[in-house]
Amino acid sequence: DQQVKQNSPSLSVQEGRISILNCDYTNSMFDYFLWYKKYPAEGPTFLISISSIKDKNEDGRFTVFLNKSAKHLSLHIVPSQPGDSAVYFCAARRVQGNEKLTFGTGTRLTIIP
Amino acid sequence: DVKVTQSSRYLVKRTGEKVFLECVQDMDHENMFWYRQDPGLGLRLIYFSYDVKMKEKGDIPEGYSVSREKKERFSLILESASTNQTSMYLCASSEWVSETFGYGYTFGSGTRLTVV
Repeated sequence: DQQVKQNSPSLSVQEGRISILNCDYTNSMFDYFLWYKKYPAEGPTFLISISSIKDKNEDGRFTVFLNKSAKHLSLHIVPSQPGDSAVYFCAARRVQGNEKLTFGTGTRLTIIP
Repeated sequence: DVKVTQSSRYLVKRTGEKVFLECVQDMDHENMFWYRQDPGLGLRLIYFSYDVKMKEKGDIPEGYSVSREKKERFSLILESASTNQTSMYLCASSEWVSETFGYGYTFGSGTRLTVV
């Protein structure tokens, strides 16, 4: 049962435009959401996160939006750069219990020069 | 910077072999994790450990076991490798960052295992 889903396996965006990556979750107990970026032959690296008490968090070119009622979050990258080409994973954490993360299925973003 | 080192970048093993994947972290983190990454399935948690000699099953523990004899080392063991265990294996460790952020994860570079 996939509790965190990224329905677009791949996305291509022109350099300089906005990239929007989407993520849906089913478990209403999740209270913290994170985005990781992964290059081939490297481990995932943390990008940006958002608490369930917020609806937006911004860090430079990256903004994450959270819609709790729809159980949906999105990552906006503006402007997109060639170095942003990677696989992006969203991840979620539950309120109680341990702090293990549940990851989504991933979206491969390709920035076209 | 925290380093999480996985001993092998690529491995090829035969069906039925016992396989050991090693992971070492250098920052005294208590929590360590093993994930596998497969296309269309994302990262799935196999096992994790909160302390030496402690382990808990993740979402897909079948066919795997783990060992944590020292704090810095977390080993994943495939008791009898099968072709459906061909995958990218990622080790991670985590530490408490803050009340607002929670735990921060650091991942290793991964081991691509092929079982033939």
